[in-house]
Amino acid sequence: DAKTTQPPSMDCAEGRAANLPCNHSTISGNEYVYWYRQIHSQGPQYIIHGLKNNETNEMASLIITEDRKSSTLILPHATLRDTAVYYCIVRVSNSNSGYALNFGKGTSLLVTP
Amino acid sequence: GAVVSQHPSWVICKSGTSVKIECRSLDFQATTMFWYRQFPKQSLMLMATSNEGSKATYEQGVEKDKFLINHASLTLSTLTVTSAHPEDSSFYICSARPLAGGGEQFFGPGTRLTVL
Repeated sequence: DAKTTQPPSMDCAEGRAANLPCNHSTISGNEYVYWYRQIHSQGPQYIIHGLKNNETNEMASLIITEDRKSSTLILPHATLRDTAVYYCIVRVSNSNSGYALNFGKGTSLLVTP
Repeated sequence: GAVVSQHPSWVICKSGTSVKIECRSLDFQATTMFWYRQFPKQSLMLMATSNEGSKATYEQGVEKDKFLINHASLTLSTLTVTSAHPEDSSFYICSARPLAGGGEQFFGPGTRLTVL
């Protein structure tokens, strides 16, 4: 799986958009970008994933650059409950694949009042 | 949908005893489940991959005789920490990949193990 690079920490004011960057310059053509988050002392929560097109769901938006070497997770209106460690993971998505997720250190997002 | 449960949520045991942790996919079937552990202020580390009806695949450095994994059905996997010692104290998390899905995994809430 391609390696990812994320800033160790970020702050965001409540109500503002939180933009979390991720670099994955060695990503290959069949690798997807996944985002998970982990609130303190809980299991990780799936947020969103994409291949090359931008994706949006009820939680967030995922913007992937045209060369696919980086992406940004956007939480449009951050709340205090969005304070968590956010993990960007690149891996092959194959319904027959049993590949686990390799968690890096992630970005610790602190949403402040 | 896509809910994974773990039981117990926390456990305290004496050194030398064995502890069993259950991981269940409540509303979907999962041929593959994964076991992770997380030490304080560290990221999740994969311990093993569990496939229904077959032996688990362990990551390098994880003792298969100490961490027994059983995946007897499409909705249940168990991790037994045998002869637990204080250094086994950790946060154990399972995840499950739906049989019919796009590759995403869903995680349980985790089990906090403290060995005295």
